[in-house]
Amino acid sequence: NAGVTQTPKFQVLKTGQSMTLQCAQDMNHEYMSWYRQDPGMGLRLIHYSVGAGITDQGEVPNGYNVSRSTTEDFPLRLLSAAPSQTSVYFCASSYSSSDTEAFFGQGTRLTVV
Amino acid sequence: SQQGEEDPQALSIQEGENATMNCSYKTSINNLQWYRQNSGRGLVHLILIRSNEREKHSGRLRVTLDTSKKSSSLLITASRAADTASYFCATGYTGKLIFGQGTTLQVKP
Repeated sequence: NAGVTQTPKFQVLKTGQSMTLQCAQDMNHEYMSWYRQDPGMGLRLIHYSVGAGITDQGEVPNGYNVSRSTTEDFPLRLLSAAPSQTSVYFCASSYSSSDTEAFFGQGTRLTVV
Repeated sequence: SQQGEEDPQALSIQEGENATMNCSYKTSINNLQWYRQNSGRGLVHLILIRSNEREKHSGRLRVTLDTSKKSSSLLITASRAADTASYFCATGYTGKLIFGQGTTLQVKP
């Protein structure tokens, strides 16, 4: 099983550019979420979704957009990249809400110059 | 924020010793989970303990939860070099899974 797949693994952007981080899961999970991980900060929740068509903000949503048109995919869009968005981004999915085990992708390392 | 806070931030022990990590949180929770992250990799789920449980075991892992003190502990017994990783607690509440800052564990052979 592929589990949670994130693409790309590495990306360098110039300030002001936009891009989409892709996340796909093949476990038919309803709950998906995006986190960013910065040194000494742990993981911080950006956005999450409890099912197709439903998204909500997490702890640090500014500068990011999400949509959930299918159960499988949950892309994260950076509208106008800033150096402060340099981070490692993780996508996660779980069977239902926050009450079950979350499965993580391998991460996308993003550098904004 | 209901973010969990781990203590200590870093821990270095010899192989065979036990490692204990603590997590404190701020608000009511439905459950508390522990995850492990090897360097440069994604997080892997270790164990979930629900708010009505006090202790849970999984192999060499023992997790306790004290909701009156809003704290949890993760004990790894008879540690191995392969246990070297960062460990995170995460609290589940109202659909969100919020992580702490993590404890970095080094197990020396």
